[in-house]
Amino acid sequence: EPEVTQTPSHQVTQMGQEVILRCVPISNHLYFYWYRQILGQKVEFLVSFYNNEISEKSEIFDDQFSVERPDGSNFTLKIRSTKLEDSAMYFCASSIRDRVHEKLFFGSGTQLSVL
Amino acid sequence: AQSVTQLGSHVSVSEGALVLLRCNYSSSVPPYLFWYVQYPNQGLQLLLKYTSAATLVKGINGFEAEFKKSETSFHLTKPSAHMSDAAEYFCAVSGSGGYQKVTFGTGTKLQVIP
Repeated sequence: EPEVTQTPSHQVTQMGQEVILRCVPISNHLYFYWYRQILGQKVEFLVSFYNNEISEKSEIFDDQFSVERPDGSNFTLKIRSTKLEDSAMYFCASSIRDRVHEKLFFGSGTQLSVL
Repeated sequence: AQSVTQLGSHVSVSEGALVLLRCNYSSSVPPYLFWYVQYPNQGLQLLLKYTSAATLVKGINGFEAEFKKSETSFHLTKPSAHMSDAAEYFCAVSGSGGYQKVTFGTGTKLQVIP
């Protein structure tokens, strides 16, 4: 089965530093998403992306966050100035279409630790 | 607004015993409901989903779930647990829209005891 690939699997950074989390969605998918899970809490929606623009974002996704599809294969999440509370597992996901009967494919996540 | 509550952050069952993972939902619109599984060091994998068709939904690996509107529940069951079922299970809910509306529960870690 095709996979969504995320790199790195673990990222440690100092507070205030910029981090970029990388994802390679499945090649024929058109909709891309970022979710995150703070330890012990729920998996939370951050943002969805289609046709090179954000289609929806949550209240968590403030000005510190940005997403980009810099080429035909990668989908990145940038946190401009990390805070301690950004420490979480970040999941990338993709789907062919943005309909609930379509399957949503998740990557294995990037564990971000902000010190 | 929509939400799910998963009862029990950790559940232990013996190999061969019934697996029952509980999920209750709250939704202001007819819900679509999901169960995802996460094996160690892997991503979230869809087990099954309810999208207003049959109330008893069968998924992969022998799991099934029943949508009960009167109880606002969508519990996950499997008649006989295998060691390979040890994982974390997430219940999730969406309104009748796209995936960006999916709201997850806090997860239940299933331990299978030999």
